[in-house]
Amino acid sequence: QVQLVQSGAEVKKPGASVKVSCKASGYTFNGYAMHWVRQAPGQRLEWMGWINAGNGNTEYSQKFQGRVTITRDTSASTAYMELSSLRSEDTAVYYCTRNGMDVWGQGTTVTVSS
Amino acid sequence: QSALTQPASVSGSPGQSITISCTGTSSDVGAYNYVSWYQQHPGKAPNLMIYDVTNRPSGVSNRFSGSKSGNTASLTISGLQAEDEGDYYCSSYTSSSTWVFGGGTKLTVL
Repeated sequence: QVQLVQSGAEVKKPGASVKVSCKASGYTFNGYAMHWVRQAPGQRLEWMGWINAGNGNTEYSQKFQGRVTITRDTSASTAYMELSSLRSEDTAVYYCTRNGMDVWGQGTTVTVSS
Repeated sequence: QSALTQPASVSGSPGQSITISCTGTSSDVGAYNYVSWYQQHPGKAPNLMIYDVTNRPSGVSNRFSGSKSGNTASLTISGLQAEDEGDYYCSSYTSSSTWVFGGGTKLTVL
């Protein structure tokens, strides 16, 4: 079945970076773009960016421009989201979801705390 | 890119119908038929309920329907059931080749 499995929870200090992975299975990885969406505690869903898994082209939300980098490894059917210069407001659950947003990863909790 | 505007909360009794609105601009909701709706229960990932304004994924009840007029999209749930309670979000593609979500609506089944 189609599945996205994300890496485990992370705890980071302010100023650090975090890299979350999202391994796809059950479909042709190159055939779908992958989005990254986050949700701070009690807050709304927030779109961060996406990557064309076929050619690697990316688009990012202006809010995260310069701090977020989305990449993919087609040989491993895995997408990655790296967020740098972390601050407490980046504490959230981070989700990957393939284009169409019909399949979502289980979410990765990132906690930023000194 | 500002969030799409949704009512913070709606409520209805079992069996009733409710509608949740999602207002954007001529650069997102009004420009494309790429509006989707998601249901989210506490601690869970969102679940796609409607895509491309009016289409239901396989497995989603036909009690859920979507529509759009101008810059506003709507989700209607008919025959409300207790299991429909949760948070609902809309999303839209934008003219910047990005995506934007709504602020979310909490649905309470009385």
